[in-house]
Amino acid sequence: GAVVSQHPSRVICKSGTSVKIECRSLDFQATTMFWYRQFPKQSLMLMATSNEGSKATYEQGVEKDKFLINHASLTLSTLTVTSAHPEDSSFYICSAREPPGQGKTEAFFGQGTRLTVV
Amino acid sequence: LAKTTQPISMDSYEGQEVNITCSHNNIATNDYITWYQQFPSQGPRFIIQGYKTKVTNEVASLFIPADRKSSTLSLPRVSLSDTAVYYCLVYNTDKLIFGTGTRLQVFP
Repeated sequence: GAVVSQHPSRVICKSGTSVKIECRSLDFQATTMFWYRQFPKQSLMLMATSNEGSKATYEQGVEKDKFLINHASLTLSTLTVTSAHPEDSSFYICSAREPPGQGKTEAFFGQGTRLTVV
Repeated sequence: LAKTTQPISMDSYEGQEVNITCSHNNIATNDYITWYQQFPSQGPRFIIQGYKTKVTNEVASLFIPADRKSSTLSLPRVSLSDTAVYYCLVYNTDKLIFGTGTRLQVFP
């Protein structure tokens, strides 16, 4: 299957600083990428949908000014956690899909980023 | 709200066949049924996808009845390494919403 690469795999940052997480589709062009957050022993919670060249669509309850999403190219989306606090510590996962209409509906996931805010 | 309902957990023993059923009563005509596997601290991994009837690949089979309101993931002869959370998703071109998933524990 297609490969989605997420970087870094884990990061520790101080409270009040910002952290950027990258998500790349390595062998296909992704017009749409999704960002999820997952707390221990819970399911993935969708944070936002990122569309190439346009503003991201955030789910209800997700602060767009805190979680900045940029999808500047067909292979790269970034999530920046601004002014991070300990409650932002979580496992962040990105997902990418090929453009609809090409007979493929699979979504591929990155390996996730473990963020710890101290 | 997630479009799917699955058992929260299941237990099995090595070598047994495991069947996990997912309910999706409001599936749309264009929706596909897709199953993912997730190990701790990893992103979900695609297992199998289908639209109707039966789909089989090297790791699993997916059974979908004619009304498509449910589906069953079948894992033949599970091993300890199949211990994971299994998610059933129903979608086409819209966003992927995860339900609770099924936590499968395989015992020796």
